Amino acid sequence: EVQLLGSGGGLVQPGGSLRLSCAASGFTFSNNAMSWVRQAPGKGLEWVSSIRVSGGGTYYADSVKGRFTISRDNSENTLYLQMDSLRAEDTAVYYCAKNWARWYIDDWGQGTLVTVSS
Amino acid sequence: EIVLTQSPATLSLSPGERATLSCRASQSVSSYLAWYQQKPGQAPRLLIYDASNRATGIPARFSGSGSGTDFTLTISSLEPEDFAVYYCQQCSNWPLTFGQGTRMEIQ
Repeated sequence: EVQLLGSGGGLVQPGGSLRLSCAASGFTFSNNAMSWVRQAPGKGLEWVSSIRVSGGGTYYADSVKGRFTISRDNSENTLYLQMDSLRAEDTAVYYCAKNWARWYIDDWGQGTLVTVSS
Repeated sequence: EIVLTQSPATLSLSPGERATLSCRASQSVSSYLAWYQQKPGQAPRLLIYDASNRATGIPARFSGSGSGTDFTLTISSLEPEDFAVYYCQQCSNWPLTFGQGTRMEIQ
């Protein structure tokens, strides 16, 4: 059974930083691209970032480019999202996601809440 | 950026009825389109990929069609558990984008 256990969320002040982690199990992590998708309270889904199998290719939404960094440790089966210069509009549940085929998402984590507020 | 526009925003139907949801892309995405279902407090679930292929374990009452810019998700006969929010997503071009969602509610 695929499990994606996100952690690292919480309350942070505007301008602050957080690092999200996602521990993967139940599949061969090093064989799958991975992504982060967020959902602001009461809103729809917003793709944030994706990373290829080897970590050599990374992609970002314009709204986070230059502030967020996605990375992975295939030896630890863990996905990361370093979030800097956080803004109120970054407040959301952040889902760790396993990509499949092209860039579809066939498995999702439980979500980690990030709240940016003073 | 490819914008996906879903319609209607809200769909009010009764169990047993047929549901037709639309997703229109601002430019062609070929067949690189997926549909997801999200229930309150839960993560989304993949229903359809490549516009018309059902994901593993998805009931046959869910079907997808379309290519290019116009796509449809059809639920042939609604079950009580189908009342949820549905999103389309394109993976033809970066950035990946989602539609704004269609909320299906019980009439």
